[in-house]
Amino acid sequence: KNEVEQSPQNLTAQEGEFITINCSYSVGISALHWLQQHPGGGIVSLFMLSSGKKKHGRLIATINIQEKHSSLHITASHPRDSAVYICAVITGNQFYFGTGTSLTVIP
Amino acid sequence: KAGVTQTPRYLIKTRGQQVTLSCSPISGHRSVSWYQQTPGQGLQFLFEYFSETQRNKGNFPGRFSGRQFSNSRSEMNVSTLELGDSALYLCASSLAIYPETQYFGPGTRLLVL
Repeated sequence: KNEVEQSPQNLTAQEGEFITINCSYSVGISALHWLQQHPGGGIVSLFMLSSGKKKHGRLIATINIQEKHSSLHITASHPRDSAVYICAVITGNQFYFGTGTSLTVIP
Repeated sequence: KAGVTQTPRYLIKTRGQQVTLSCSPISGHRSVSWYQQTPGQGLQFLFEYFSETQRNKGNFPGRFSGRQFSNSRSEMNVSTLELGDSALYLCASSLAIYPETQYFGPGTRLLVL
């Protein structure tokens, strides 16, 4: 059983579309991370959330602690947003990762 | 400010050998975490060090070990390498222990033949 489930696994969008990636988890957490990984391996931490909502540029992340669910939204998607997006939760002294959502934005 | 650096970037070893990977955190960061990423298992947490002490450990065998030095630089060692240890090993640093925003290095890609 995976502690963190992401959906969808793969996503293809046209440039300009609004994108939503979902993350559900089954454990009590102290925080949740959204990570972005580009081809070649480099990982960037986009957000760290423990409640509510955060926004950075065209990216918005929300978390509902009661429902154990988080979403990552990308507004006005662009080909440079093409990457794998990974949800990670921190519980106690452990990190659990989702399997990632591979996003391709077509011009 | 320089980012997290990892050396070497690429490494080829044979089964049974051992390997040491190095991670230099962002200046001022005292926490270093290590992760393994494979196509089959995805990202998995290895361990975290803070102020030269291992604070947290993932579910990996004892062949995987690490340490942190007084300047916060960290090394990770894998002994008796197995084919399944082929992976991207990522290091991340943060100002303090969880939960804190982590800054990832470029990773070391290890191939075990």
